[in-house]
This record gives sequence, structure tokens and C-alpha cells, in this order.
Amino acid sequence: DAGVIQSPRHEVTEMGQEVTLRCKPISGHDYLFWYRQTMMRGLELLIYFNNNVPIDDSGMPEDRFSAKMPNASFSTLKIQPSEPRDSAVYFCASSMDGIYDSGNTIYFGEGSWLTVV
Amino acid sequence: GESVGLHLPTLSVQEGDNSIINCAYSNSASDYFIWYKQESGKGPQFIIDIRSNMDKRQGQRVTVLLNKTVKHLSLQIAATQPGDSAVYFCAETRHPGNKLTFGGGTRVLVKP
Repeated sequence: DAGVIQSPRHEVTEMGQEVTLRCKPISGHDYLFWYRQTMMRGLELLIYFNNNVPIDDSGMPEDRFSAKMPNASFSTLKIQPSEPRDSAVYFCASSMDGIYDSGNTIYFGEGSWLTVV
Repeated sequence: GESVGLHLPTLSVQEGDNSIINCAYSNSASDYFIWYKQESGKGPQFIIDIRSNMDKRQGQRVTVLLNKTVKHLSLQIAATQPGDSAVYFCAETRHPGNKLTFGGGTRVLVKP
């Protein structure tokens, strides 16, 4: 398996523009997670899905952020409008079961490095 | 790109020596803990996990110790190799827990 695939790997955009980050989880994994990593706040969970259904989005910073999972093999994280403080590395991860039951099956993608200028 | 966290605490270790990375967790209700390794430009990678009903767990060249009394977790790496150079994170959660809370991370630099 190719692992969790994220795109783009790097994006530089201007403040106010819409940003869409994409994720393809590992086939057969029922859980999908979006994390954000910054120097100030470290790694934070934004939202996670189970069987394509959003379960907990309490980590989504504000209404400018939205995430969808239209099918088992694709998810998007969208920021509209983007702001400089959104600059971070965004990671997608997937796992076969929930983390508590099988934490060793969670795999992270290589991340999307976003810079908003 | 580099892993974020340029101001992380850093552990410098000579190749072949043992490394000990420490982590203090905050939530006394946490009962499942995971150590991750993050190499430059990559996502976190699972190393080893431990549940609160255990004090110690061993893997290949790694050992995790859990002290629930003082809410402390440590990762020991035996015979540290250049490929062990990375940032190491501990993470905690509790049942039914799909929300991992990550620690701030420690950078390990292995000197040849």
C-alpha cells in the first residue's frame, strides 16, 4: 500500500484565498483524522471521521475551516478565506479501527505545508 | 520541509549510547499512551504504545516506562543509531479516545 497520500505537499497562497487540502487514506481504514502542526501549538486534532461521517470537529478553529469525506477514499480540508495564522503543516492520518482499540494502526501522511502570505 | 518546532528541547547522544526521552502528561484520566517519531519532512510514525495497566513495555530496541503516580512517561532507545535522529512525541488519550493529545516533542540528535 502507498500509505496515506496528501496533496499538495507545499502551497503558498495569498491571504483571503481559498485553500483545499486533499487526503487519500489507506484502503480499508475506517477512521480518518486531520491534524495541524505549528511551532506554537504543536500537533492538534482538528476533526476526525468514522466511516465517512464526521464524529468530532471540536478542534476546528473557526468557521473558515471545513472538512468533508464524500467517500471512503477521499477527504478534503478547506480554508476559506485563508489567513497568515493558518500557516502550518496539515497532516491527514487514517487507522483501521479507533485509536484506543488499535493505536498501532494509525498512519500519518507526509503533510501539506501551507504558507499564507 | 523541516519538522515544526525549532525551539524543541534537544537531546544529543553519541551513536551507540542509550537515549532516554521523557514526557510529562497532564490528564490523570488518560489510560493509553503512544510514542511517535517524526523525521524531517515526514508525518509522525508509531513507535510503541502502552496502556495504564502496565508499567513497562518493550519493543525492538525501545522500551516505554509509565509512572502513573507522577504522570510520567519515558522512551528508552538502546544503542542509538544515526537513523534515530528525529523529533519524538508522546501522546495520550483515554477511553473511548480517538482524540490524541500530543506533548511538545523532544529532538534527538545522534552524533557519529
